[in-house]
Amino acid sequence: QSALTQPASVSGSPGQSITLSCTGTSSDIGGYDYVSWYQQHPDTAPKLIIFDVTNRPSGVSDRFSGSKSGNTASLTISGLQADDEASYYCSSFTSASTLDVIFGGGTKVTVL
Amino acid sequence: QVQLQESGPGLVKPSETLSLTCSVSGAAMSTYYWTWIRQSAGKGLEYIGHIHTGGSTNYNPSLNSRVTMSVDTSKNQVSLRLSSVTAADTAVYYCATLYAGVIYSGSSPFYYYSHMDVWGKGTTVTVSS
Repeated sequence: QSALTQPASVSGSPGQSITLSCTGTSSDIGGYDYVSWYQQHPDTAPKLIIFDVTNRPSGVSDRFSGSKSGNTASLTISGLQADDEASYYCSSFTSASTLDVIFGGGTKVTVL
Repeated sequence: QVQLQESGPGLVKPSETLSLTCSVSGAAMSTYYWTWIRQSAGKGLEYIGHIHTGGSTNYNPSLNSRVTMSVDTSKNQVSLRLSSVTAADTAVYYCATLYAGVIYSGSSPFYYYSHMDVWGKGTTVTVSS
């Protein structure tokens, strides 16, 4: 069982907006603004798309946006495109254990 | 732009030690933290641990007694050793840079770890006799 909770799957039609959730505790998401999101296409390495809750690395589309409320972080993908079909993982710094960094179980996004 | 490339044996026998190397190019190693992450087939990402070039380490408690990470700045390499492997250690292993920082509250440092910004392509390791 992963430390952060993500829905197993989310789907949407091209052009729509979808929101992925990532739920933790006050020891991780709720306590710190060090939430990041990663996109992973099949058989490729994860790619950083959001860091520190809301920031996008250079080169990442502005269709990806991040936010946080309480113990839940969210990733919104607007103007859904076929290439957005991938798995998305959230991660957070944690003070709950010596582990320091924890991941969610991942959400598979399907573009209908 | 830093680039990472994992390498090592693709097949390891049960009870033996898995040894992987992450070759670093395009960056001075002293400025980074380095992390290893693995992913079993069809599963999510598992944080193995991280190491700073200065030698400080932190390992996943579930693997702590079996994991060793090291840095060789003369070779621009980061290494991972995982002992007493079983089939459960079969996975794709990634190395990545870990953005970290420190905040001071008075004289007390608070170290935080934010995100993995550069990843290698990963290397597949199968544990089987």
